[in-house]
Amino acid sequence: DQQVKQNSPSLSVQEGRISILNCDYTNSMFDYFLWYKKYPAEGPTFLISISSIKDKNEDGRFTVFLNKSAKHLSLHIVPSQPGDSAVYFCAANNAGNMLTFGGGTRLMVKP
Amino acid sequence: DSGVTQTPKHLITATGQRVTLRCSPRSGDLSVYWYQQSLDQGLQFLIQYYNGEERAKGNILERFSAQQFPDLHSELNLSSLELGDSALYFCASSEDPFRGTDTEAFFGQGTRLTVV
Repeated sequence: DQQVKQNSPSLSVQEGRISILNCDYTNSMFDYFLWYKKYPAEGPTFLISISSIKDKNEDGRFTVFLNKSAKHLSLHIVPSQPGDSAVYFCAANNAGNMLTFGGGTRLMVKP
Repeated sequence: DSGVTQTPKHLITATGQRVTLRCSPRSGDLSVYWYQQSLDQGLQFLIQYYNGEERAKGNILERFSAQQFPDLHSELNLSSLELGDSALYFCASSEDPFRGTDTEAFFGQGTRLTVV
């Protein structure tokens, strides 16, 4: 039972345009959501997070939106840069428990 | 640098063998998590330790075991290795996850295990 799903395994966008990565979850007990970025042969690095009491969190070029009623979150990257090319994982958590990860979306930003 | 250290970085071993992967968490982090990533797939949670005690178990095989020591470092033991155990094994650590505040986990660089 996949509690966190990323339905798009890959996404290709042009440099300068917006990248939108999507994530759906099923467990209504999740109260904290995170996005991680992973380059090949490296560990995932924390990117941005959002608490369930918010619907938007912004950090520079990265914005995460949370729609609790739809159990959906998205990561917007604007403008996209070639260095953003990586695999992005969304993850969900509730206090005391382990992070549950989605399957990842490979983002390719073309120059 | 996340502050989480994993050793070794690479490990090649034969089927049937036993290996130990080591993780040192960030200074001050009490919780350690182990994840497995096979062939560019998602991160599968294996097990979590908090201050020396097992807290949560995921899809961890009976051939695998882990522990967290008093100095908070953790070891993941993989035995009777099979070809399908070849994967990247990541360790992550976080602050006290039971305070009820939002906290993220920081990952090490991973250990790439190849079973031949």
